[in-house]
Amino acid sequence: AQKITQTQPGMFVQEKEAVTLDCTYDTSDPSYGLFWYKQPSSGEMIFLIYQGSYDQQNATEGRYSLNFQKARKSANLVISASQLGDSAMYFCAMRGGGNAGNMLTFGGGTRLMVKP
Amino acid sequence: DSGVTQTPKHLITATGQRVTLRCSPRSGDLSVYWYQQSLDQGLQFLIQYYNGEERAKGNILERFSAQQFPDLHSELNLSSLELGDSALYFCASSLTTTNEKLLFGSGTQLSVL
Repeated sequence: AQKITQTQPGMFVQEKEAVTLDCTYDTSDPSYGLFWYKQPSSGEMIFLIYQGSYDQQNATEGRYSLNFQKARKSANLVISASQLGDSAMYFCAMRGGGNAGNMLTFGGGTRLMVKP
Repeated sequence: DSGVTQTPKHLITATGQRVTLRCSPRSGDLSVYWYQQSLDQGLQFLIQYYNGEERAKGNILERFSAQQFPDLHSELNLSSLELGDSALYFCASSLTTTNEKLLFGSGTQLSVL
């Protein structure tokens, strides 16, 4: 069974500072994918970044980067230069291989609050 | 506009009733996924359809059913509703049966009173 753990229920960060949101995962599949989604107060789920288990380099998308440490089974999201609009819930999710490849398993989320 | 359209945005109903949630995937996407987000269960995968056929099933109750039509839109039917069914229901779509860059709709907020 696949499992995603986000140990930080809530975090504060000062505007313009960088912040790291933690995510650890557990799977026995050799092939898997890791995602981060942002959910603002309006409720929609916004795709941020994706990392495949065989990708050699850490994924980056603008101010978002994924610190992928395969041996530690961690996939932390780093947001650089935080903005007020980054205040939201952030979800880490995993796609497994084989028959599990059709579904995402989500963590419990981290609420990020950016202080001006 | 996210490309995935869900209607209605809000739905209020009573216990024991039946409702239908509708989803139109992003243009060109063949695969549709339904997820439920509740306070106690978090985000859970319910079911996936690909080009009209069921492909994967998650924690979907027997009171719930879904289908994908020839025009690729999908409907999630929830019957004999209970208070615990109150949740945000998301539809998502992707081009293939795997879900890299899965695109979510804005969700339907269901309140069962």
